[in-house]
Amino acid sequence: NAGVTQTPKFRVLKTGQSMTLLCAQDMNHEYMYWYRQDPGMGLRLIHYSVGEGTTAKGEVPDGYNVSRLKKQNFLLGLESAAPSQTSVYFCASSYSRRSYNEQFFGPGTRLTVL
Amino acid sequence: SQKIEQNSEALNIQEGKTATLTCNYTNYSPAYLQWYRQDPGRGPVFLLLIRENEKEKRKERLKVTFDTTLKQSLFHITASQPADSATYLCALRLNRDDKIIFGKGTRLHILP
Repeated sequence: NAGVTQTPKFRVLKTGQSMTLLCAQDMNHEYMYWYRQDPGMGLRLIHYSVGEGTTAKGEVPDGYNVSRLKKQNFLLGLESAAPSQTSVYFCASSYSRRSYNEQFFGPGTRLTVL
Repeated sequence: SQKIEQNSEALNIQEGKTATLTCNYTNYSPAYLQWYRQDPGRGPVFLLLIRENEKEKRKERLKVTFDTTLKQSLFHITASQPADSATYLCALRLNRDDKIIFGKGTRLHILP
């Protein structure tokens, strides 16, 4: 049982390049989330999904897109990376909203945009 | 505006003493509040959850209180140990909402 995994662990991009971050969970969780964490800013929600085929915007969605084609995977895309997107990205999952459930976090992806 | 505030300064506590961390919120109506621990370079790890109708929750050396009138949660670690040194995050899930909002976290240092 691997929990929540994220790929890649580190990435350096040039301004304008695109990339996709992959999050996978093997706990059959309905809910999945993408956060970014910056010094002094805490964890901020980018997008989230309440089930396969659904996505919704969080606090800071601009510049990012997401897809949840399979229940176990949640992809975060950057179409045209900007230096302001330099951050550590965390994916999380939880069973559902109806129960009082904890979020399980992945190990993070450290992204630098030059 | 809506805010979640945690001690922005790092907290230094002598080993063996009780560490108390504060989480204040404004203009939210939370369904429940959670506390997480985060170590450097790692993702947050869930510790405790307390519901809006609960006053106190305990788990081993950890205790959480929740005062919806004061809009405040306190997180206590008793008999603190150097291994408890980490950043602690509080998070609110709002009523009728799917999102969980995190505070910025408090860095705790337990001094041997």
